[in-house]
Amino acid sequence: QVQLQESGPGLVKPSQTVSLTCNVSGGSIGSGIYYWSWIRQPAGKGLEWIGRIHASGDTRSNPSLKSRVSMSVDVSKNQFSLKLTSVTAADTAMYYCARDSPYGGNDNWGHGTQVIVS
Amino acid sequence: VLTQPPSMSLVPGKTATITCAGNNIGDYSVHWYQQRPGQAPVMVIFYDSDRPSGIPERFSGSKSGNTATLTISRVEAGDEADYFCQAWESGSDHWVFGGGTKLTVL
Repeated sequence: QVQLQESGPGLVKPSQTVSLTCNVSGGSIGSGIYYWSWIRQPAGKGLEWIGRIHASGDTRSNPSLKSRVSMSVDVSKNQFSLKLTSVTAADTAMYYCARDSPYGGNDNWGHGTQVIVS
Repeated sequence: VLTQPPSMSLVPGKTATITCAGNNIGDYSVHWYQQRPGQAPVMVIFYDSDRPSGIPERFSGSKSGNTATLTISRVEAGDEADYFCQAWESGSDHWVFGGGTKLTVL
């Protein structure tokens, strides 16, 4: 069973860039079978998809965040990463990484990492 | 945009019906997630009506016209959670989530 684990700084100052990493175990990103997504959730609110990346480097992003989002993948470390620039208080949220199932949807999720912009 | 009712409540043993409405939703596959308090979402339905392994048969999905539906039969206290629908917006190539429905079991 694949497992995903997010890591990040926790606290970020406004206008800075937040960098998050998702480590994948129990499966290889390099297999090229899956896309790998980032999703966030402000406290008490709904889910917002940020973007996704494939082992080939192909990416898709939410149009509302596209100008501030960059993603990368490190197949050798079996991890993928997210950078979100020019953060504001509105970016305070729980950030999840998840695997995109080839049958649709996100079939495996990490536990999430909290990002507070203050 | 995917529209869900914000909340619903019912007593144990009853059937919960959670809707997800969206333009052209009939053209896309819809997926459903359960999120218990303090936990990450868990997929309960994919491809409109399929269940991942380990999800009870009480959970079922369907779609008609511009509305997808998650049905939970014989609701239990452990089903109390937020439920989100999801679909792929092919026009702009991104996942879209519904606003979520909070299910309360009285």
